[in-house]
Amino acid sequence: SQTIHQWPATLVQPVGSPLSLECTVEGTSNPNLYWYRQAAGRGLQLLFYSVGIGQISSEVPQNLSASRPQDRQFILSSKKLLLSDSGFYLCAWTAEETQYFGPGTRLLVL
Amino acid sequence: QQPVQSPQAVILREGEDAVINCSSSKALYSVHWYRQKHGEAPVFLMILLKGGEQKGHEKISASFNEKKQQSSLYLTASQLSYSGTYFCGTWDSGTYKYIFGTGTRLKVLA
Repeated sequence: SQTIHQWPATLVQPVGSPLSLECTVEGTSNPNLYWYRQAAGRGLQLLFYSVGIGQISSEVPQNLSASRPQDRQFILSSKKLLLSDSGFYLCAWTAEETQYFGPGTRLLVL
Repeated sequence: QQPVQSPQAVILREGEDAVINCSSSKALYSVHWYRQKHGEAPVFLMILLKGGEQKGHEKISASFNEKKQQSSLYLTASQLSYSGTYFCGTWDSGTYKYIFGTGTRLKVLA
């Protein structure tokens, strides 16, 4: 069966520090992968999606970037975090038209 | 355009029923329903593909109207475990991107 992993689970970072969040998928090949952010009490905001290695589409211009160095690995990065980057970051993949989510990373920028 | 859900929030007593609606200004290719508990990732509940389709999952069922512009989620004899935020999701036929509805917060009280 397919499994999606995210780490770390929780992260507290100072403003201006770098960020790297990792997402890996097991049990499938060439998945479509997505990064979402959810602010407290809000809906899901699509940040990036990828249909293959090295193929990244950005939805919202901001200080975040994404990379897909391997088929089942999707990384979210930032060179300098802002307070507004705080939130719940979710990685997802698509199977049979449905989105399945990883456990998420809760990021607090202070 | 993001599907609109109603109501935005609802409070129930255990054993009561609820209906959550998801409406779009244009026909949807398919509708997916998710439940997100506080602090957790959304969990897929069910998918509806055809106009007029109805589908059930224990005491939770859903329908998709003939014009495929509205879907409703029915929660019967609600339990405490039903509490959370419910999202509908769909593929935007214009951009081929996945979009979520505005969300409905549901709280079941003992």
